[in-house]
Amino acid sequence: DAKTTQPTSMDCAEGRAANLPCNHSTISGNEYVYWYRQIHSQGPQYIIHGLKNNETNEMASLIITEDRKSSTLILPHATLRDTAVYYCIVSAGNKLVFGAGTILRVKS
Amino acid sequence: GAVVSQHPSWVICKSGTSVKIECRSLDFQATTMFWYRQFPKQSLMLMATSNEGSKATYEQGVEKDKFLINHASLTLSTLTVTSAHPEDSSFYICSARVYATNTEAFFGQGTRLTVV
Repeated sequence: DAKTTQPTSMDCAEGRAANLPCNHSTISGNEYVYWYRQIHSQGPQYIIHGLKNNETNEMASLIITEDRKSSTLILPHATLRDTAVYYCIVSAGNKLVFGAGTILRVKS
Repeated sequence: GAVVSQHPSWVICKSGTSVKIECRSLDFQATTMFWYRQFPKQSLMLMATSNEGSKATYEQGVEKDKFLINHASLTLSTLTVTSAHPEDSSFYICSARVYATNTEAFFGQGTRLTVV
């Protein structure tokens, strides 16, 4: 599975949109992009996933560039409860391999 | 989303004893389940993949005789840490998927194991 690169940490003001980037320049055609987040001492929570089209659900939007080499997770109105580690994972197969992720701190 | 439940949430055991952790998919049948471990301030590390009714596939460097995985039904997988030692103290997390690929995996709340 392709490797992903994410910033180590980001800050976001409460109520503003949080835009979390992910680089996956070696992604192959059958690999999906998944986003999960982990709040301290809990199991990861599924957010969204997509192949090449942009996706939106009740939690977030996923924007994938046309060449699929990068993507952005958008939390439209961040709250303090969105403070967590966000993981971008690329996978075509059975398993999900986690990288280091981005620590998102939402501040009031 | 679907619910995956782990039990116990935390456990303390003596060095040399074995500990069993259960992972259940409560509202769906999971053809594939995964076990991860996580040390403080680190990411999740995949330990093994198990498919119902067959032997687990372990990641490189994970001792299969130490971490016994059983996936006897479509809703239950167990991880047994045998002859536990203090260095096995960690956060163990399971996840489950309905189909093998290209669907979301749902995670349990994790089990904090402390070996004393």
